[in-house]
Amino acid sequence: DGGITQSPKYLFRKEGQNVTLSCEQNLNHDAMYWYRQDPGQGLRLIYYSQIVNDFQKGDIAEGYSVSREKKESFPLTVTSAQKNPTAFYLCASARGNTGELFFGEGSRLTVL
Amino acid sequence: SQQGEEDPQALSIQEGENATMNCSYKTSINNLQWYRQNSGRGLVHLILIRSNEREKHSGRLRVTLDTSKKSSSLLITASRAADTASYFCATDAGAAGNKLTFGGGTRVLVKP
Repeated sequence: DGGITQSPKYLFRKEGQNVTLSCEQNLNHDAMYWYRQDPGQGLRLIYYSQIVNDFQKGDIAEGYSVSREKKESFPLTVTSAQKNPTAFYLCASARGNTGELFFGEGSRLTVL
Repeated sequence: SQQGEEDPQALSIQEGENATMNCSYKTSINNLQWYRQNSGRGLVHLILIRSNEREKHSGRLRVTLDTSKKSSSLLITASRAADTASYFCATDAGAAGNKLTFGGGTRVLVKP
């Protein structure tokens, strides 16, 4: 079945370490997005990509990096520069400008 | 700051009752969307209403949009215990990249 797969579901990191969250989609969608969600809060946009080899910063890009080398994949790296990385991270995709986002099941990152 | 703000933040009702939640936003939009999130899961798209539409239905869901007041409402009729979730509105202000801005959500508890 088509969908978005995020991995790992749970991740623990020591302070000072970089970690990479995986996001893969087989929906043939052009656009992909990374959102961060803190407890009891809404979603905030980290990065988005409308096409392969191109991406733009969202509202809270500092301390994060992304790549878009393939249409299907949009990995997010949480760097040691991110001061408060403990959060729930959600990846989404969309077919062009149709509006509707399709979300993965999320990755929960905890910094020890 | 977030574009959409939901009200109330939390809602508790009995099974069979209707649940109404509201969303207010600040700038002009192309469309407004509602999403549902079960605890610890990804978001699921419920309904999209365009700026030139005033009301839309989908099953037990009814969404209204008042662009003059910059507000929208989501009504869930004849609620079920399985409707227990958080509900988010998201606005598309038309910026390049289909960027959605999410509100903080309404947490709905439907008691059997």
